[in-house]
Amino acid sequence: DTAVSQTPKYLVTQMGNDKSIKCEQNLGHDTMYWYKQDSKKFLKIMFSYNNKELIINETVPNRFSPKSPDKAHLNLHINSLELGDSAVYFCASTTSDRNTEAFFGQGTRLTVV
Amino acid sequence: AQSVSQHNHHVILSEAASLELGCNYSYGGTVNLFWYVQYPGQHLQLLLKYFSGDPLVKGIKGFEAEFIKSKFSFNLRKPSVQWSDTAEYFCAVNAASGTYKYIFGTGTRLKVLA
Repeated sequence: DTAVSQTPKYLVTQMGNDKSIKCEQNLGHDTMYWYKQDSKKFLKIMFSYNNKELIINETVPNRFSPKSPDKAHLNLHINSLELGDSAVYFCASTTSDRNTEAFFGQGTRLTVV
Repeated sequence: AQSVSQHNHHVILSEAASLELGCNYSYGGTVNLFWYVQYPGQHLQLLLKYFSGDPLVKGIKGFEAEFIKSKFSFNLRKPSVQWSDTAEYFCAVNAASGTYKYIFGTGTRLKVLA
């Protein structure tokens, strides 16, 4: 069973469109993250949720809106997509007791054309 | 603010050569430290982690890392690399208290020549 799963794996869309990426974890973790990995492989944290509550919101355009319907899910909605949004987006999860590492999903490669 | 530096951006080695990748972090408090590996086209996988105790940590696939608190370093080592070790390696840190986020270094791309 996949521990952290993201859908879709690939997403190609036109500028100006709105799209969503979904993430689910079956590890019983209470903390989830979204990271963006650019073309130079740099990993930048975007958001973090703990027990459905937003705890980290880095400098991310308002076009990006995370939603956590429950502890096991963290979705990312992106409005008015721009060319610069092209990247690989990784979801990760962990426990807030800090006794374990972060587990990553397979990533969603977003290409905006 | 926390930060992580990986000084080697690209490393090319021949099979059987020894590897050491540098990682330094900046944070005044207690930290947890990690090394992740990302094989081409794949997600990040944990190689090893340090929370407390023995500063010499052994991970999977023959990798190890040593936490030197006085140097704020957590260097990754492997005595003999294989072609299959070709990948991107990321050092990461999170604070043991306070805001819980993983800060990643910029990564080191390792290419092992057969």
